[in-house]
Amino acid sequence: GEDVEQSLFLSVREGDSSVINCTYTDSSSTYLYWYKQEPGAGLQLLTYIFSNMDMKQDQRLTVLLNKKDKHLSLRIADTQTGDSAIYFCADGGSGNTGKLIFGQGTTLQVKP
Amino acid sequence: DVKVTQSSRYLVKRTGEKVFLECVQDMDHENMFWYRQDPGLGLRLIYFSYDVKMKEKGDIPEGYSVSREKKERFSLILESASTNQTSMYLCASRSGTTYEQYFGPGTRLTVT
Repeated sequence: GEDVEQSLFLSVREGDSSVINCTYTDSSSTYLYWYKQEPGAGLQLLTYIFSNMDMKQDQRLTVLLNKKDKHLSLRIADTQTGDSAIYFCADGGSGNTGKLIFGQGTTLQVKP
Repeated sequence: DVKVTQSSRYLVKRTGEKVFLECVQDMDHENMFWYRQDPGLGLRLIYFSYDVKMKEKGDIPEGYSVSREKKERFSLILESASTNQTSMYLCASRSGTTYEQYFGPGTRLTVT
């Protein structure tokens, strides 16, 4: 079946930029998501990007999509301690079914 | 704001018990989903429903069933709980015509 892979851990200093990477296998994916999960909470939708886009920016968040390499990244500018959380990449597949395939999640640790 | 609520944040049940996890959304969404989250595995889809009385199996339906009698409510049922069903269970919903999928806060189920 289709798969989504992420590195498990990233540590940055407060004020630096964070880049969280994700790779997926479904070449027909039409939209990809980033979710954030704080300790003890559910998932918060951060953003999503359609496959016909290379980049999407929303305040401190920049999403880059390299469809040829099936690589997605989330850049957080000026990372704050409140950004410490688990970040999940998810593949929405080729149709608008709503079925998401999630990566394992990347734990972002922000050091003061 | 979209609101997805789950009946319990924490639940402890014994092996063999029948367990009901309830999810309610207040946005008149057609689609609802049940995932389980395990460390290092991300989220995996158990069951989903496109509309009232409709249900479809996800990637890991074994040992689970679901019920959707009303549009706003989607229940996950563990017919006979086992220790390997100890996990975090997350419900999600979305409109059938958009791409945003919203999650509840999760229920941490422990089966002893």
